[in-house]
Amino acid sequence: DVKVTQSSRYLVKRTGEKVFLECVQDMDHENMFWYRQDPGLGLRLIYFSYDVKMKEKGDIPEGYSVSREKKERFSLILESASTNQTSMYLCASSEPTGNEQYFGPGTRLTVT
Amino acid sequence: GEDVEQSLFLSVREGDSSVINCTYTDSSSTYLYWYKQEPGAGLQLLTYIFSNMDMKQDQRLTVLLNKKDKHLSLRIADTQTGDSAIYFCAEIETSGTYKYIFGTGTRLKVLA
Repeated sequence: DVKVTQSSRYLVKRTGEKVFLECVQDMDHENMFWYRQDPGLGLRLIYFSYDVKMKEKGDIPEGYSVSREKKERFSLILESASTNQTSMYLCASSEPTGNEQYFGPGTRLTVT
Repeated sequence: GEDVEQSLFLSVREGDSSVINCTYTDSSSTYLYWYKQEPGAGLQLLTYIFSNMDMKQDQRLTVLLNKKDKHLSLRIADTQTGDSAIYFCAEIETSGTYKYIFGTGTRLKVLA
């Protein structure tokens, strides 16, 4: 069974803090993705990576950065958290041809 | 840009059929997908259809694809309370990046 795990289910941070969200997958997938999920907006792609040290901007990269130093781990970084980054963050991974994405359980981040 | 649209809510009685609709924009998508998100969980692939098919049936699920109108639907027969979830349709970009474009999600509520 593919497993995608995220470091926290719930996180509360203050405005201006640096926030790290970690994602680990155990299926040796090349592709990894970070989304945010907001009511009425569905999933929006923040960043994705198709190989170690490779990254591509998604639809809403502003205010975020990512790191992929190892194949199994993809980190999302909020350099200076703001209240409009309060959201559910979902990580996913897939094989190179990307037919199915496997999702982690999500991290609900609240920025106060 | 690409856009995938769904209605936000659907409410049905237990035992009835549910039909969740989706319109997409990228007519060159090879696959179209339905994902299910149960409360507090990530997304899981429910089913998918190749773009050269009109219909796919899998137990209680029937997917209909109208390529001319770029319309995708998911029919759940004999809907159960366990089917209550958010359902996302998605298409895959054909530019080689294997990025998904997700719809806004339809929250299905099954009334006992």
